[in-house]
Amino acid sequence: TQLLEQSPQFLSIQEGENLTVYCNSSSVFSSLQWYRQEPGEGPVLLVTVVTGGEVKKLKRLTFQFGDARKDSSLHITAAQPGDTGLYLCARWVAGNMLTFGGGTRLMVKP
Amino acid sequence: NAGVTQTPKFQVLKTGQSMTLQCAQDMNHEYMSWYRQDPGMGLRLIHYSVGEGTTAKGEVPDGYNVSRLKKQNFLLGLESAAPSQTSVYFCAIRLTGTNYEQYFGPGTRLTVT
Repeated sequence: TQLLEQSPQFLSIQEGENLTVYCNSSSVFSSLQWYRQEPGEGPVLLVTVVTGGEVKKLKRLTFQFGDARKDSSLHITAAQPGDTGLYLCARWVAGNMLTFGGGTRLMVKP
Repeated sequence: NAGVTQTPKFQVLKTGQSMTLQCAQDMNHEYMSWYRQDPGMGLRLIHYSVGEGTTAKGEVPDGYNVSRLKKQNFLLGLESAAPSQTSVYFCAIRLTGTNYEQYFGPGTRLTVT
């Protein structure tokens, strides 16, 4: 049973479109991380959100942590082919176990 | 991935064979971990270690053993490989003072026939 549910599982869009992916949990978490993974490589951390209602921006990526700290979203504006990859949310459980959601696989077509 | 190296990069085993996946860090981080990633899925934690000589089970530890005899190295062993262990295996270290960022190695792709 995954503690983190991500949606959608797959997303295929055209270059220039906007998109949002979601990460939800039934439990409250102290912080949440978003990672991006390209084919053949390990995940790379994009951001950590720690405060309810927090919004962080990373160029065209906007990350939001829900007020109740049970959910998070990642919004990409004007997607580019270079944004193609697997987006994973993750949270630390019991201090030493980083658990991941199932991921959203994004493909941006030129 | 310069700070974390994994060997081998690829491996094919027959059912019942054993092998050890190696992970090495060139830094001095206490925490190391092993994950597996199956096609179309997120990563699942197999085992982790919070320091030299200590290991603990993660979400999916069955069929695997680990050892952390030296701080720089974390080994993942398969005593009797099964087709269900076909996966990509990632080793990671946890950076200190950075909201617990995990830094991953390049992965080992294992196929068990």
